[in-house]
Amino acid sequence: DTGVSQDPRHKITKRGQNVTFRCDPISEHNRLYWYRQTLGQGPEFLTYFQNEAQLEKSRLLSDRFSAERPKGSFSTLEIQRTEQGDSAMYLCASSFPSPGWETQYFGPGTRLLVL
Amino acid sequence: GESVGLHLPTLSVQEGDNSIINCAYSNSASDYFIWYKQESGKGPQFIIDIRSNMDKRQGQRVTVLLNKTVKHLSLQIAATQPGDSAVYFCAEVPRGGTSYGKLTFGQGTILTVHP
Repeated sequence: DTGVSQDPRHKITKRGQNVTFRCDPISEHNRLYWYRQTLGQGPEFLTYFQNEAQLEKSRLLSDRFSAERPKGSFSTLEIQRTEQGDSAMYLCASSFPSPGWETQYFGPGTRLLVL
Repeated sequence: GESVGLHLPTLSVQEGDNSIINCAYSNSASDYFIWYKQESGKGPQFIIDIRSNMDKRQGQRVTVLLNKTVKHLSLQIAATQPGDSAVYFCAEVPRGGTSYGKLTFGQGTILTVHP
């Protein structure tokens, strides 16, 4: 499978616990994005990387959220001290921009439920 | 309990009919636009994209039309099939800067195709 993969696909945790999600982008894609999607809504941008550099973070991303892409390949998204409001689908996308075009390909998502 | 955002526009068609899904965007500085299809429990799947300097683009069974005057985007699906049933999102990409590539998604439309 050469698409974007995410792990785990589902995560149930108790409020206050820390969780970490992993995203493996399409090989050679230098951009990697994280989005969050709640029921009935479109995905909302959280942050993105170009290679290993984190270029932009949304105001949605509180201090409890941190993302890394240490070697410019896979990325992790960690949520500390989870809250019930963090329950959502966390989507990862990757792309390889060409002049004037950039198509982002999404992974299957990690569905988080905070009890 | 709280009703969670389950008020997406819906479109029901018969198999074989043509479908038209509409999207209004707000940012006149958007550089290009993408249509995604999302099936239940899956990540968004790329369908087709169009640059802001284009009015129309065609793919396999799909056509995207862009009207910049009224900031309107439409997706036409020819000979709709039951497998086309999903939620369809339009997304816009801002022009230039570090925000380039950051997708802003529209509300989404639920398409149901009846055999």
